[in-house]
Amino acid sequence: GESVGLHLPTLSVQEGDNSIINCAYSNSASDYFIWYKQESGKGPQFIIDIRSNMDKRQGQRVTVLLNKTVKHLSLQIAATQPGDSAVYFCAESSSGYELNFGKGTSLLVTP
Amino acid sequence: DADVTQTPRNRITKTGKRIMLECSQTKGHDRMYWYRQDPGLGLRLIYYSFDVKDINKGEISDGYSVSRQAQAKFSLSLESAIPNQTALYFCATSDAGEQTQYFGPGTRLLVL
Repeated sequence: GESVGLHLPTLSVQEGDNSIINCAYSNSASDYFIWYKQESGKGPQFIIDIRSNMDKRQGQRVTVLLNKTVKHLSLQIAATQPGDSAVYFCAESSSGYELNFGKGTSLLVTP
Repeated sequence: DADVTQTPRNRITKTGKRIMLECSQTKGHDRMYWYRQDPGLGLRLIYYSFDVKDINKGEISDGYSVSRQAQAKFSLSLESAIPNQTALYFCATSDAGEQTQYFGPGTRLLVL
């Protein structure tokens, strides 16, 4: 299948700073993208998604940017808090149902 | 997500044993999925079901079987467990026509 990868396996940010987590994908037919947050001992939790007909979508303190030209996806977290510490996964779909997941980025928020 | 529950949450078993992991959902979703997560890897799809009469293999179905007993229940079986099936197992659901999947809390399985 097509690969979905992350540029950095770990990211450390200071509390209050903005965080940017990046994701690259290779399937030009991907039309749906989603970000999940996974805390230790828990299942992945939906954060935000975006379809390929958009290049930006905002949620509460989070923004997803999609650059289809370079097949790049990013998750921006504003004013990062200790509770944001977790592993973040991106996933893409071109089938309408099957999600292909990246390996994850560990975000560590330091005081 | 409390709407998707998995039992057991932790399981230790021995090589060659048959075990079943269960998933229940109260979200009313038609579609259900089983994933496996290994350290340093993303989630990989084992099986998925679009409704009670529809079962499909995912990327890594070998060594696993599933049963969709009802719209709300989807179980995963390891017929003869082997150590490399030690992993975290997640169930997920989605509404028909929607791509957002909602995950359960996971089952941690150790095969000795």
